[in-house]
Amino acid sequence: NAGVTQTPKFRILKIGQSMTLQCTQDMNHNYMYWYRQDPGMGLKLIYYSVGAGITDKGEVPNGYNVSRSTTEDFPLRLELAAPSQTSVYFCASSYSGLLEAFFGQGTRLTVV
Amino acid sequence: KNQVEQSPQSLIILEGKNCTLQCNYTVSPFSNLRWYKQDTGRGPVSLTIMTFSENTKSNGRYTATLDADTKQSSLHITASQLSDSASYICVVSPNQAGTALIFGKGTTLSVSS
Repeated sequence: NAGVTQTPKFRILKIGQSMTLQCTQDMNHNYMYWYRQDPGMGLKLIYYSVGAGITDKGEVPNGYNVSRSTTEDFPLRLELAAPSQTSVYFCASSYSGLLEAFFGQGTRLTVV
Repeated sequence: KNQVEQSPQSLIILEGKNCTLQCNYTVSPFSNLRWYKQDTGRGPVSLTIMTFSENTKSNGRYTATLDADTKQSSLHITASQLSDSASYICVVSPNQAGTALIFGKGTTLSVSS
């Protein structure tokens, strides 16, 4: 049982480049989330999904896009990368909003 | 403004000792409060989840308390081990959807031998 798997683990982007952070879970969870964690700060919600085909913005969605075509996958797309998007990105999933969320190992992204 | 404040910011204790971490929140409405452990370079791992009606919840050597009236929570670690060295994050959810979690900045615990 792999849980929540994120790829890649590390990435360096140049300003203006695009990339997709991959997230997949094998627990058949309805809810999936993308967070970013900046140094010394609490996690901030970027986007979330409560099921396939349903996504919604979180607290800090600007500069990002998501899709949820299957229950398992929830990719995060960065268009026109900016230095402000340098952060550690975590994908998480849960069976419901009331139950514990399981987190992936994170993707450390640097935009230069 | 919805906020979660944790104290202390960092803590160093000797192996085998107990410690208590604090969390104060101003989140309203309130659905549940969670404690997570985050090892360096890893994603957070859930320790406990408590709803409004729960005062105490344990997970092995970890015991969380909640006072919803004063909006305070604590995480007590008993007989600390080197593997307890991590960041401990308090998280408050204002709704049952879990889609608006408010994360504290965490307390960094270092356990030394």
